[in-house]
Amino acid sequence: TQLLEQSPQFLSIQEGENLTVYCNSSSVFSSLQWYRQEPGEGPVLLVTVVTGGEVKKLKRLTFQFGDARKDSSLHITAAQPGDTGLYLCAGGAQKLVFGQGTRLTINP
Amino acid sequence: DADVTQTPRNRITKTGKRIMLECSQTKGHDRMYWYRQDPGLGLRLIYYSFDVKDINKGEISDGYSVSRQAQAKFSLSLESAIPNQTALYFCATSDWGVGSYNEQFFGPGTRLTVL
Repeated sequence: TQLLEQSPQFLSIQEGENLTVYCNSSSVFSSLQWYRQEPGEGPVLLVTVVTGGEVKKLKRLTFQFGDARKDSSLHITAAQPGDTGLYLCAGGAQKLVFGQGTRLTINP
Repeated sequence: DADVTQTPRNRITKTGKRIMLECSQTKGHDRMYWYRQDPGLGLRLIYYSFDVKDINKGEISDGYSVSRQAQAKFSLSLESAIPNQTALYFCATSDWGVGSYNEQFFGPGTRLTVL
């Protein structure tokens, strides 16, 4: 069974700081996805990484897929209150496995 | 209009009652999924369907059943609700084929409370 572990589970920082969230597994994934979920809503896809070592940028968010395709990271530069939410990584071909999520709070 | 809709959005029921949660989509996707979300546990797959004639159990299917009435409709039933089924329930869809990586499109969720 493929499992994804996210760390940290909770992170509270001040506006303007940088942060990194990790998604790790002992299994190889053909691709990994990152979602953001806000209260009262369903998760929304941010990005899919496919190639080992791949780096994708979405404004102030940088996503990286590990060379061995067993892990991924999300780095946010100069965090803003609008970045607050639950960040989920997920992977799998026929059906997705989700990490338990990182709840991020950016304080003004 | 939302691509994936769920009804109801909130439901409070009593132990032993039968409950149906409904999901409709206008994305034209063949694949549909039901997940449950509990604090600290992420999303766990209950059932999934790759087309109208295909239904598969996920990791936590006990106590649940599903029906795929059409390509656009996928419903989840709790035959006899129990308090530990209190959770957020999400429906999702995905496309499949060359260039697709099973990215999921989620509905807004149903908050179910079983007393």
